Amino acid sequence: SAVISQKPSRDICQRGTSLTIQCQVDSQVTMMFWYRQQPGQSLTLIATANQGSEATYESGFVIDKFPISRPNLTFSTLTVSNMSPEDSSIYLCSVEGEPGSGANVLTFGAGSRLTVL
Amino acid sequence: AQSVTQLGSHVSVSEGALVLLRCNYSSSVPPYLFWYVQYPNQGLQLLLKYTSAATLVKGINGFEAEFKKSETSFHLTKPSAHMSDAAEYFCAVSGGYQKVTFGIGTKLQVIP
Repeated sequence: SAVISQKPSRDICQRGTSLTIQCQVDSQVTMMFWYRQQPGQSLTLIATANQGSEATYESGFVIDKFPISRPNLTFSTLTVSNMSPEDSSIYLCSVEGEPGSGANVLTFGAGSRLTVL
Repeated sequence: AQSVTQLGSHVSVSEGALVLLRCNYSSSVPPYLFWYVQYPNQGLQLLLKYTSAATLVKGINGFEAEFKKSETSFHLTKPSAHMSDAAEYFCAVSGGYQKVTFGIGTKLQVIP
């Protein structure tokens, strides 16, 4: 399965600022997924990023708050804009772990833990 | 629509004791079911998956899970807990064209 590198691994940010998280995959993939993991809650899909097209956002998430780039088949970024303490969370990048199997197996990066003060 | 319910956000077991983590699902189509494990400061790692073959699925590190359609359950078990099993475990479901839906996770504590 693919190996995913995410950075930063953690950061402490000030309210009102923005932070960009990078996700690098060691192989070409069609879709990349961005998840949010809040304490005591399940993983929530933010958006799906396809190369060459705009990201598809899930209900409750908007492009102005979470702009995503997907410049090629191995790289994506997620920006958390105008951060508030409620954005403190772990953000995870993932890709399909078994492409073509139809089983939706996911491979995850180690995550980026953001704390907003 | 699909959903996952994990009973017990925290489970404690003694080292060497049986591990049982409960997961019930809801799906309008035949589901794929997964257990993922997350060790501290790491991403999620696939433990095992059910994809409509054998109902008893064996995964890594001695874990297994049984798909019971009549009970809509997919509980995770391990006969003997090891200290290294301490982690957070997530049950997940997907089916048809729907994306993966995760449960809230169960933190497993192993007591020496």
